[in-house]
Amino acid sequence: DAKTTQPPSMDCAEGRAANLPCNHSTISGNEYVYWYRQIHSQGPQYIIHGLKNNETNEMASLIITEDRKSSTLILPHATLRDTAVYYCIVRPRNAGGTSYGKLTFGQGTILTVHP
Amino acid sequence: DTGVSQNPRHKITKRGQNVTFRCDPISEHNRLYWYRQTLGQGPEFLTYFQNEAQLEKSRLLSDRFSAERPKGSFSTLEIQRTEQGDSAMYLCASSPRDRESGYTFGSGTRLTVV
Repeated sequence: DAKTTQPPSMDCAEGRAANLPCNHSTISGNEYVYWYRQIHSQGPQYIIHGLKNNETNEMASLIITEDRKSSTLILPHATLRDTAVYYCIVRPRNAGGTSYGKLTFGQGTILTVHP
Repeated sequence: DTGVSQNPRHKITKRGQNVTFRCDPISEHNRLYWYRQTLGQGPEFLTYFQNEAQLEKSRLLSDRFSAERPKGSFSTLEIQRTEQGDSAMYLCASSPRDRESGYTFGSGTRLTVV
């Protein structure tokens, strides 16, 4: 699976947009970009995923560059409850063979939203 | 069905004892995963079930670890002869057959070996 690189930590003011970058320069054509977050003492929570088009749901937007080598997760109006570790993960699209679509987590970005 | 349920939430055991954790996935999900997470690290994959078949095991899953998913419903993870290095959060996740779908994780079982 392609590896991802994320900044170890970021800060954001409450009510402002939080833009979390992720580099995945070795991504292949059949790999999705997934984002999860983990709030303290809870299991990871799925946020959003995409292949090559930008995606938006009720939680966030995902912007993937045209060359697919990087992406940005956008939380449009961050709240204190968005303080968490955010993981960017690349996952094969056709999860056959031995990968079975398993997720390989890195260390993520610790996002701190402050008042 | 409100999500993935894991029991117990916390377990403290003495070194050398056996422990068993249970995971109840979302009922219509046929895929079930176990992960382990130590402090400051992201979750690490342990094993994967599709229905009742265990299709992949990580090298992290030593001979002291065993997982089952009888009848393709709930799953158990057993650790025999626990060691202090086994102290971690053990997370279970499930997902439907659709390969694109994100996982739903449980809240985990925190194991402390003393």
